[in-house]
Amino acid sequence: ILNVEQSPQSLHVQEGDSTNFTCSFPSSNFYALHWYRWETAKSPEALFVMTLNGDEKKKGRISATLNTKEGYSYLYIKGSQPEDSATYLCGQPGGTSYGKLTFGQGTILTVHP
Amino acid sequence: DSGVTQTPKHLITATGQRVTLRCSPRSGDLSVYWYQQSLDQGLQFLIQYYNGEERAKGNILERFSAQQFPDLHSELNLSSLELGDSALYFCASSVDGTATNEKLFFGSGTQLSVL
Repeated sequence: ILNVEQSPQSLHVQEGDSTNFTCSFPSSNFYALHWYRWETAKSPEALFVMTLNGDEKKKGRISATLNTKEGYSYLYIKGSQPEDSATYLCGQPGGTSYGKLTFGQGTILTVHP
Repeated sequence: DSGVTQTPKHLITATGQRVTLRCSPRSGDLSVYWYQQSLDQGLQFLIQYYNGEERAKGNILERFSAQQFPDLHSELNLSSLELGDSALYFCASSVDGTATNEKLFFGSGTQLSVL
């Protein structure tokens, strides 16, 4: 059974601050690591799927890094904006059904104007 | 808009009843996944179908069942409903679920309330 953990559980920042949060996962039998953004009243939306140790992905002001050997991924948001307020989920597939994801509990980010 | 359509958006029913949730995947996607989001748990995988066949199963209760039809839409059937089944049920789809870098596309969810 995979155990995916995210920290912190919640985060409050001011507009313009940069922030980051962590996803920890078992490093054995690694296939991929997913990041999703879930805004209130909407559906989770894929940000990144990372597969290689040392991977770095970027989408606008959001970027992510991956360390499969030590079992963690960081998500960074540069210059947070109120529209970045959302729950950020990471998830890991446990086997060869790569859409069968075990998700962490999420980090709830609130960006105050 | 993810391209995944779920109906209904909201469902209110009583304990002991049976309901059916429906999902139409993105055009071209062969895999459909069902996830449950309840208050005390994170997003939990229930079941996956690929091109009409069950591909993977999570901690899905025996009272729950699903199927995927030839037109690739999927239905999740929940029976003998209990208060604890109240949750947000998401459907997601992907191309086929065999590529490690495959993203999931989520529908807007069905909020089920069992009274």
